[in-house]
Amino acid sequence: QVQLVQSGAEVKKPGASVRVSCKASGYTFTDHFIHWIRQAPGQGPEWLGSINPNPAASVATATDYAQKFRDRVTMTSDTSVKTAYMELRSLTSDDTAVYYCAEEGGPQKGYAFHLWGQGTMVIVS
Amino acid sequence: DIQMTQSPPSLSASVGDRVIITCQASQDISYYLHWYQQKPGKAPKLLIYDASNLETGVPSRFSGSGSGTDFTFTISSLQPEDTATYYCQQYDNHPPERTFGPGTKVEI
Repeated sequence: QVQLVQSGAEVKKPGASVRVSCKASGYTFTDHFIHWIRQAPGQGPEWLGSINPNPAASVATATDYAQKFRDRVTMTSDTSVKTAYMELRSLTSDDTAVYYCAEEGGPQKGYAFHLWGQGTMVIVS
Repeated sequence: DIQMTQSPPSLSASVGDRVIITCQASQDISYYLHWYQQKPGKAPKLLIYDASNLETGVPSRFSGSGSGTDFTFTISSLQPEDTATYYCQQYDNHPPERTFGPGTKVEI
């Protein structure tokens, strides 16, 4: 079954860091970029960035981050367990949101997010 | 940064009605525009990619059109299960950027 399964909910103190995982199954993990998107309560989705899990990708180009998060987000992947990770540091209450990972379909799908994880609730309080 | 606007913010319609949602980009994005449906407590679901291409398995009552800065999403005959919030999303790879619209809540 093609799916992305994320780690469970987190409650963090202001100033702390959070790491969310996203495990892929049912497709070739290294073939498609993984993106991270968050959604604050009652708000629209917001893109944090993406990672190319292909180990052949250069370190310099494997990740792209939204300008807003560039100084406090890190995205990594482990191909041996087909899992992507997103770490967000220096948390504030504004970071309270549901965090999603999503697979990008590539050029044949217009680079759209056609497979999503179930979401991970992160509460900063 | 490219900004996206949607209208209306919300609408109420009857079963069988034709529903139209518009999305406008702050600059020319060609056809690099997708539409998603989101139901409460669920992840967004891709309906339309590249402005007018129907995602596999999505009912044909959903359609999209437009290019440049102005885009339209249409539900030709609204069904009860279409109650949801709909988002447009633009993408740019140079530099990489993804921006969602504020959403349109559709109720019956």
